[in-house]
Amino acid sequence: GQQVMQIPQYQHVQEGEDFTTYCNSSTTLSNIQWYKQRPGGHPVFLIQLVKSGEVKKQKRLTFQFGEAKKNSSLHITATQTTDVGTYFCAGGQAGNNRKLIWGLGTSLAVNP
Amino acid sequence: DTGVSQDPRHKITKRGQNVTFRCDPISEHNRLYWYRQTLGQGPEFLTYFQNEAQLEKSRLLSDRFSAERPKGSFSTLEIQRTEQGDSAMYLCASTSQSLLEKLFFGSGTQLSVL
Repeated sequence: GQQVMQIPQYQHVQEGEDFTTYCNSSTTLSNIQWYKQRPGGHPVFLIQLVKSGEVKKQKRLTFQFGEAKKNSSLHITATQTTDVGTYFCAGGQAGNNRKLIWGLGTSLAVNP
Repeated sequence: DTGVSQDPRHKITKRGQNVTFRCDPISEHNRLYWYRQTLGQGPEFLTYFQNEAQLEKSRLLSDRFSAERPKGSFSTLEIQRTEQGDSAMYLCASTSQSLLEKLFFGSGTQLSVL
């Protein structure tokens, strides 16, 4: 079946360092969404990418969607302790955009 | 509060008991999802409603699970004859077509089956 792989599973950085998580799908996606889940919290929507090669920025966060619409990345510049949490990508399936396929997430820890 | 609300926040039950959870979506959202999440995993799709119609249900979902959304507003998820493997966080999310499936999640119901 369709899978979305996400790496790394864990990342531990010093405050101020950059962080990147990668998402790869076995099939072409209609769109990809990114969510952040704080410890003990629920997923919160960050962004949606729809177009091939799309790049979007939100302050220190940069999101990319691959040309083949099979991979995506989230890059955080100069991490802060408020960035701590698990970042999930979720891919929309071509022909069934209602059912997202979720990655396992990347847990980010930031040392002050 | 105009977010997605779920009740209860926590539920502890004994194996074999039935449990029911409630979700109140954002009022203008016509689409409602139930997900299950265990520690260290991403949300796992359970079922999806558009208005009152249940349009999709995970093939992995046991027939002990049933969900309803009788008036197209709030939804309930019932688990019959609970098993220890049902212990998880049950998340509800809502959205509308105009939001291109951007999901708004509730805080979830944490189920512990003893």
